[in-house]
Amino acid sequence: EVQLLESGGGLVQPGGSLRLSCAASGFAFSANDMVWVRQAPEKGLEWVSAISASGGSTYADSVKGRFTISRDNSKNTLYLQMDSLRADDTAIYYCAKEIVVVPPTHWYFDIWGRGTLVSVSA
Amino acid sequence: IVLTQSPATLSLSPGESATLSCRASQSVSRFLGWYQQKPGQAPRLLIYDASNRATGIPARFSGSGSGTDFTLTISSLEPEDFAVYYCQHRINWPLTFGGGTKVEIK
Repeated sequence: EVQLLESGGGLVQPGGSLRLSCAASGFAFSANDMVWVRQAPEKGLEWVSAISASGGSTYADSVKGRFTISRDNSKNTLYLQMDSLRADDTAIYYCAKEIVVVPPTHWYFDIWGRGTLVSVSA
Repeated sequence: IVLTQSPATLSLSPGESATLSCRASQSVSRFLGWYQQKPGQAPRLLIYDASNRATGIPARFSGSGSGTDFTLTISSLEPEDFAVYYCQHRINWPLTFGGGTKVEIK
């Protein structure tokens, strides 16, 4: 079964750090582009960061310079290092896998984890 | 690119047809997808590249449009279709999502 499982969320004070993990199973993780998407309480979806299968990464302006996406293909795991956290980073963080279809397309997401909640508060 | 979804809420009965709109602030060609999200669940991909159904998505879901105007149509609402729907473009960075349309039971 294709599955993504996030972990690492929790309550952190403003200015603090957290590292989220996303464990992948049931598919060729190293061959897939991956993303983090977040959803603030009772709000819509916001793309946070993306990493290609080859390791290239990009970020939303709201997190650039504070968050770092990475992957360990030997562990089938995606990471999001979050530093200098702010109250407006409070959200459920989802990892998601890019769809693989023929003919190919990119940057739509067909497999999502259940999310991990990050709360930033004093 | 800003994606504006309308209406914010759609109140319909099971069996009725639903038409959801997504308008882009500039052309996204056909690079637009649609997701469904139910309370407490992750989003589910329905449509990609404007009109292609993702694997396992029922035929009652269809997408159309190009450029700046897109539509998601649900031909006959089933009880499990009442949810929030988001559009998302992929033409450039940053990827953005629309604000969502809630389809609720009338």
